[in-house]
Amino acid sequence: EVQLVESGEGLVQPGRSLRLSCTTSGFIFGDYAMAWVRQAPGKGLEWVGFMRSKPSAVITQYAASVEGRFAISRDDSKGIAYLQMNSLKTEDTAVYYCTRWGSGNSHQYFDYWGQGILVTVSP
Amino acid sequence: DIQMTQSPSTLSASVGDRVTFTCRASQSVSTALAWYQQKPGKAPKLLIYKVSTLQSGVPSRFSGSGSGTEFTLTISSLQPDDFATYYCQQYDAYSTFGPGTKVEIK
Repeated sequence: EVQLVESGEGLVQPGRSLRLSCTTSGFIFGDYAMAWVRQAPGKGLEWVGFMRSKPSAVITQYAASVEGRFAISRDDSKGIAYLQMNSLKTEDTAVYYCTRWGSGNSHQYFDYWGQGILVTVSP
Repeated sequence: DIQMTQSPSTLSASVGDRVTFTCRASQSVSTALAWYQQKPGKAPKLLIYKVSTLQSGVPSRFSGSGSGTEFTLTISSLQPDDFATYYCQQYDAYSTFGPGTKVEIK
């Protein structure tokens, strides 16, 4: 059974950093690109970014709202994806979902999602 | 960036109704269009990808159609479990979600 489980601290002050982890099981992690999607309270879904698995010409891409502040990485040996969030703003408050590309490295639709983790950025 | 819109924002319907809602892209996304269902407090669930391909395990009452910039999701006979919010997503250029359509009990 495919499982994605997010973890990390839930409350952080503006300007600080936070790293989320996504621990996976039930599939060959190295065969799939992974992505992060967030949802602010009461709002819709917002794509954050992705990281393809190797070898790929383009490894990572990010939404304009997080470009330069957020970074996605992965440890294929452990089956874990990470979202490093720096210079956090109050508007980054959201539930963050770890997701798996449904097609390996080809097409960015998301067939499996984690349960989500609430990140609150507040003074 | 490709912008996505959905209509209506809210739809009131009864069990057994046939419901259709629309997703529009600001430019062509070819067939790179997916639909998700989300219930309160839960992660979204993939229903359809590549416009009309049903994800494994999704009931056949769900169907998708369209191409280019206009797409529809149809539920042929609404069931109690279908009251939720539905999002479309383009994945032709990076990824963008629509704002969602909430299906409520009439």
